[in-house]
Amino acid sequence: GAVVSQHPSRVICKSGTSVKIECRSLDFQATTMFWYRQFPKKSLMLMATSNEGSKATYEQGVEKDKFLINHASLTLSTLTVTSAHPEDSSFYICSATDRDYTEAFFGQGTRLTVV
Amino acid sequence: LAKTTQPISMDSYEGQEVNITCSHNNIATNDYITWYQQFPSQGPRFIIQGYKTKVTNEVASLFIPADRKSSTLSLPRVSLSDTAVYYCLVGTSGSARQLTFGSGTQLTVLP
Repeated sequence: GAVVSQHPSRVICKSGTSVKIECRSLDFQATTMFWYRQFPKKSLMLMATSNEGSKATYEQGVEKDKFLINHASLTLSTLTVTSAHPEDSSFYICSATDRDYTEAFFGQGTRLTVV
Repeated sequence: LAKTTQPISMDSYEGQEVNITCSHNNIATNDYITWYQQFPSQGPRFIIQGYKTKVTNEVASLFIPADRKSSTLSLPRVSLSDTAVYYCLVGTSGSARQLTFGSGTQLTVLP
């Protein structure tokens, strides 16, 4: 099946710094990518949807200036957490889909810890 | 988007068949039903997808009644490694907000 690779799997950063998470589709063209956030023992919460070459659409309550999403190519989307704070510590997951697919393919997730 | 409702948790024993039912009363004509499995600190993994009637693959079966307002994921002969959260999702690739995750069902398989 299709593969989505997310990197890094774990990252620890200091408060006030920025962290970039990459999401790559390895064997298909991802026209749409989704970014989720998941707190412990909670479900995935959609943060934003990005279509290749367009600005991301953010869900209500998600700060677009804090969570910068770039989807410049059909195989790569990035999420940058800017000026990170401890409350940004969470598990971030991306998924990608092609127009021809009726399912989404998920990355392995990134555990972000802000100290 | 069609909202889904699942049991919060289920327990089973090794070797048993497990059936997890999901309600999606306002499913749209173009919507597919997809089930994902998630282990702690991992991204969700696709299990099975269907539109109507019954679908079977090497790991599970999916039963969908004619009205499509619910679906049942059937896991035959579960093992300890099947302990995970199972999510039922309804959507279509044509929607920009394809997947909205509900609470999921925490399945715990006991020895």
